Amino acid sequence: AQKITQTQPGMFVQEKEAVTLDCTYDTSDPSYGLFWYKQPSSGEMIFLIYQGSYDQQNATEGRYSLNFQKARKSANLVISASQLGDSAMYFCAMREGTLGNAGNMLTFGGGTRLMVKP
Amino acid sequence: DAGVTQSPTHLIKTRGQQVTLRCSPKSGHDTVSWYQQALGQGPQFIFQYYEEEERQRGNFPDRFSGHQFPNYSSELNVNALLLGDSALYLCASSMLAGKLNEQFFGPGTRLTVL
Repeated sequence: AQKITQTQPGMFVQEKEAVTLDCTYDTSDPSYGLFWYKQPSSGEMIFLIYQGSYDQQNATEGRYSLNFQKARKSANLVISASQLGDSAMYFCAMREGTLGNAGNMLTFGGGTRLMVKP
Repeated sequence: DAGVTQSPTHLIKTRGQQVTLRCSPKSGHDTVSWYQQALGQGPQFIFQYYEEEERQRGNFPDRFSGHQFPNYSSELNVNALLLGDSALYLCASSMLAGKLNEQFFGPGTRLTVL
C-alpha cells in the first residue's frame, strides 16, 4: 500500500490566488512527521513546512500552511497569494517513528506539478 | 553557513561501470541519507549513515553501497551500472537526535547511464 499519496499530478493556479495541494498518508505508528518540499527544475529539494503528529496546531510558514486532519490522515499544503516563482514540483513526505529509533528516513509521494499562470 | 553540498553536479557513465558520488552535510549535522529520484517520480530512500555505519537501508540491491567519514561526509558507490540507474541522486543531512523538522537536501547529482 502506498504510504504517501498525492492524487493531483498537475495543477494550474492564477497568480495571486490560493491553491491547495493534497496529500494523504498511511501509517500505524502514532509518532510521525509530515514534510512538504518544493523542487524547482534545478532539482534541489527545498524544505517548506513540517507538521508533527502530536502538534496541536496546524503548521504555518509565511505563505505556506498545512491543513492537518489527523483522523482523515491528510496533510494538505495551502499556498496563499501564489507567485510565478511558485511554479515547481511539490512533494509530500513522511517520517515514521521517533528520531534515534527509526532514524530519519523519509517516504515521498509522487509529487504534484504546480503551474502558476500570470 | 554552508548547506548540503554534493559533487559532481552531472555525470555520464556507460553500462557496467562504477560511480562514486559525494556529499558534505550541513554544518552540525551527523546523519546523511541518500535518495534516488527517477524522472517524474518522488525520491526513493537508498540508505542512511550515522557514526560511519549504515543504519537503515531501503529496497536497493547490494550494487549500491556507501561510506561515511569521520567528518560526517559521505559517499555513494554504485557498481555494475544499469540503464535504470539513471536518476537524480539526492543527499539529505540531519541530526539523528536533533530537531524533528530538520532534513535538508543538497542540489543533487544527475547521473546518466548510456
